[in-house]
Amino acid sequence: ETGVTQTPRHLVMGMTNKKSLKCEQHLGHNAMYWYKQSAKKPLELMFVYSLEERVENNSVPSRFSPECPNSSHLFLHLHTLQPEDSALYLCASSQDPGVDTGELFFGEGSRLTVL
Amino acid sequence: AQSVTQLDSHVSVSEGTPVLLRCNYSSSYSPSLFWYVQHPNKGLQLLLKYTSAATLVKGINGFEAEFKKSETSFHLTKPSAHMSDAAEYFCVVSDRGNDYKLSFGAGTTVTVRA
Repeated sequence: ETGVTQTPRHLVMGMTNKKSLKCEQHLGHNAMYWYKQSAKKPLELMFVYSLEERVENNSVPSRFSPECPNSSHLFLHLHTLQPEDSALYLCASSQDPGVDTGELFFGEGSRLTVL
Repeated sequence: AQSVTQLDSHVSVSEGTPVLLRCNYSSSYSPSLFWYVQHPNKGLQLLLKYTSAATLVKGINGFEAEFKKSETSFHLTKPSAHMSDAAEYFCVVSDRGNDYKLSFGAGTTVTVRA
């Protein structure tokens, strides 16, 4: 496999459920990101990990909990979500964070619907 | 603070005609600017980037963009649209004032008519 892979592609959950989104990158990159994409709004950066350490947490509610066990894998654990959390969640990777290259490699996203 | 404004939320063109997507930016430093494309049900892909070299930047699939500092613009163009260009396009800015984190525009949806 190549690039950035996200699973599941689609997820429907109730407000009391607990689920996780998974991201895997096969590019040998050192940084991984979670973004939230809502309709007709700019992408919102949620979390940044560099070499498995969290370097950015953009005031994201605690019902979203990231985990980065190694430089190739990133999870987003979800619990007691709200309907307004329904969105496309995109994972991305880059060689390094905070470097003026701008090139992120994105996965295809996980479409989350909260009922 | 850095930001971008994409002036059109939706652009519709006929196949074979030129495409113009407009982007204005705001930055207190020398910015880097990018265009990303997102096809339906896909992730974002880098089209092209400007990082203080030549002001006219060529990207993939025949797209190009021109950095105009005096107008704080970075418009994306293509001479002849193809059906496969139907997608959403994002203008993005980064600068050292924000640790080179990317700031995305709200996106422009391009429709190509046969």
